[in-house]
Parts: sequence; C-alpha cells; structure tokens
Amino acid sequence: SQKIEQNSEALNIQEGKTATLTCNYTNYSPAYLQWYRQDPGRGPVFLLLIRENEKEKRKERLKVTFDTTLKQSLFHITASQPADSATYLCALSTDSWGKFQFGAGTQVVVTP
Amino acid sequence: DGGITQSPKYLFRKEGQNVTLSCEQNLNHDAMYWYRQDPGQGLRLIYYSQIVNDFQKGDIAEGYSVSREKKESFPLTVTSAQKNPTAFYLCASSIVAPTGPSNQPQHFGDGTRLSIL
Repeated sequence: SQKIEQNSEALNIQEGKTATLTCNYTNYSPAYLQWYRQDPGRGPVFLLLIRENEKEKRKERLKVTFDTTLKQSLFHITASQPADSATYLCALSTDSWGKFQFGAGTQVVVTP
Repeated sequence: DGGITQSPKYLFRKEGQNVTLSCEQNLNHDAMYWYRQDPGQGLRLIYYSQIVNDFQKGDIAEGYSVSREKKESFPLTVTSAQKNPTAFYLCASSIVAPTGPSNQPQHFGDGTRLSIL
C-alpha cells in the first residue's frame, strides 16, 4: 500500500542552525510534492511546491529537494529562528486533480 | 482579506445525531476539499469538489456527505453512520489552473474540532 513517512520524533535545534526534515514514500510515483507548516490548533499553511521533474526549489530560507530515485524529499530551514517552531507536513499527489495524501508531520522546536 | 472561514471552531455531537460543519471561501477558488486530522496521523481526504454541483469521494467518505450548491460554500455533514467522528476537520480550497489543482497551493481554514458527548 502507499505510504508516506515523516520522522515522528520532534527535531530540536538551536537558533541559527539548519533544520533538515525528511519525507520518504513507498509504492508511490508522485508527480507533485508540497510542504506545509501547521501551528497548534490552526490549519496548514502552504510553503513550497516541487514537481517530479524538478530537483530543487528555494524560497527565502527554505529549500526543498525531490529525489524520485531515493523516493525522498528533504526540506531545509536555514538560519532557523524560534518563530520557525511548528509542525511541517509533506503532501504528495500522483495526478493533477488536487488529490493529495499527507504525511503525519514532523515537529520542529527552535531554541534561542 | 480573502480566506477560508470554518465554523464553529468547536462542535459537540450527541450519539445518533447528524451535524453540519460550515466552510466558506472568498478566494474565488473553484476547488474545495475536506480533510480529517487525527492525532499522530496525516490529513485524510474525505470529499473534494472541482466545480459547483459536482464532488467526488476521497479516501474516507463513509459516514460523511457534502454539497456544493455555490462556489464559495462546501458544507460537510457528519452523519450518525460515522462511528468515530471525534477529530479535527479542515477545509481547503485551491485554484483549478489549466495544469490542474495539484500544481497550486491549497489554502486551509483554521478547522473545526468535533467531539462526541
């Protein structure tokens, strides 16, 4: 069956360091991969989209890579700040119709 | 400001009761979605709609129903047939671009938390 795995353990990181999150998938050939940020009690907020024919995307301090051979996406937050503390979700779609499957998310805690 | 409004924020249901969760958007988006989020699990798609008067079942549609009579509204009814309705429900919308909605970000509301009394 299709499976999306994100590290369930919280990532604790010191301010100023780079946080790296993984999103692994099995039995899947996603055409689109999105990353979202979710704060407690709130809805997810879109961060980045990457397509299957793209290797890397950047937006300000954020970078996402997509390796279809390894079946993995990496999400990087450089120069992390306490305000980056949140849960980060990856979402995959195999078609163009907006039907995504989400991972359970990884919590990031940035300490001063 | 444009966005998605979900109401109420908290909702309580008695056994055997149907309840309806509201979702309204003023983003002029064609596509709308309903997800369910349980602790430690990813969002799971309940229903989605690409256009008015049309909608499709997602991965966990049993025990739920929707309607899409207006572009800006996509209410979700949790019926008594849903045996485990306690969860955080999220509504989202997106543009349906020529390349498809998967190529666009989804905009989420702030959810409704449903509990059983």
